[in-house]
Amino acid sequence: NAGVTQTPKFQVLKTGQSMTLQCAQDMNHNSMYWYRQDPGMGLRLIYYSASEGTTDKGEVPNGYNVSRLNKREFSLRLESAAPSQTSVYFCASRRPGGRYGYTFGSGTRLTVV
Amino acid sequence: DQQVKQNSPSLSVQEGRISILNCDYTNSMFDYFLWYKKYPAEGPTFLISISSIKDKNEDGRFTVFLNKSAKHLSLHIVPSQPGDSAVYFCAASGNAGGTSYGKLTFGQGTILTVHP
Repeated sequence: NAGVTQTPKFQVLKTGQSMTLQCAQDMNHNSMYWYRQDPGMGLRLIYYSASEGTTDKGEVPNGYNVSRLNKREFSLRLESAAPSQTSVYFCASRRPGGRYGYTFGSGTRLTVV
Repeated sequence: DQQVKQNSPSLSVQEGRISILNCDYTNSMFDYFLWYKKYPAEGPTFLISISSIKDKNEDGRFTVFLNKSAKHLSLHIVPSQPGDSAVYFCAASGNAGGTSYGKLTFGQGTILTVHP
C-alpha cells in the first residue's frame, strides 16, 4: 500500500551508540517531517524538510541530524544516543498545498539504556 | 511553552453517548486546526479539520467547533462507538508566510475509551 514506511519498528540502543532511522514515502510528497511522541507531551517536531535538498530544525532538534537523501527518503540520525531520546519516532509527509494532508508512518519505538 | 493544550488526559463514555474532546491554543497566528486519531502501534491518522474562517465543520459522526475569541476548539463524536476508543490529538498550523506554516503543533492527546 502507498504511504510512509519507517524502519526499524523497534530498537534498543546502549547509551552512546549511534543509529539511523529510515523513512520513505511513495506519494511524491514534497515535505517530510520527523516527530517524537512522549507521554504527556504529544508529538513534537524534531526536523523537517520542506522540499528535496532543504532541512530545518523543529522544536526539539538537539542530539539529532537528518538527511533528505532524495524526494522519497528522509532519515533521522542519533550520533550518540542518550536515555532522554527514548521515545516513539514518527515520520510524516505532506502533499503540496495540503495543509492537512499529513500521512504518518507507523512509528519506531526506540529505547536507550 | 505548550502552544496547544489538551487538558484532559483521558475521557470515558458509554456507547451511544456523546464524546466531547477539548483543546486550547495560545498562538494567535494559528489559523488551521486538525484532529488526529491514533490507535496503539500505529501512526496518527487525520480525522477532521477546520479553518479559522469557520466556526463549525461536520463529517458524519464527527463535528469540530472553533471559538476563536476563546482560542478553543472541541471535537464532538455522536454517537460514540467502541471502535472510537483511541488517542485523539489536536493540532494547529499557521498561515502562509508564517513560521508555523506547513508544520503541525500538537497537543498532548486525550485517551478516549468508549464502553459497550
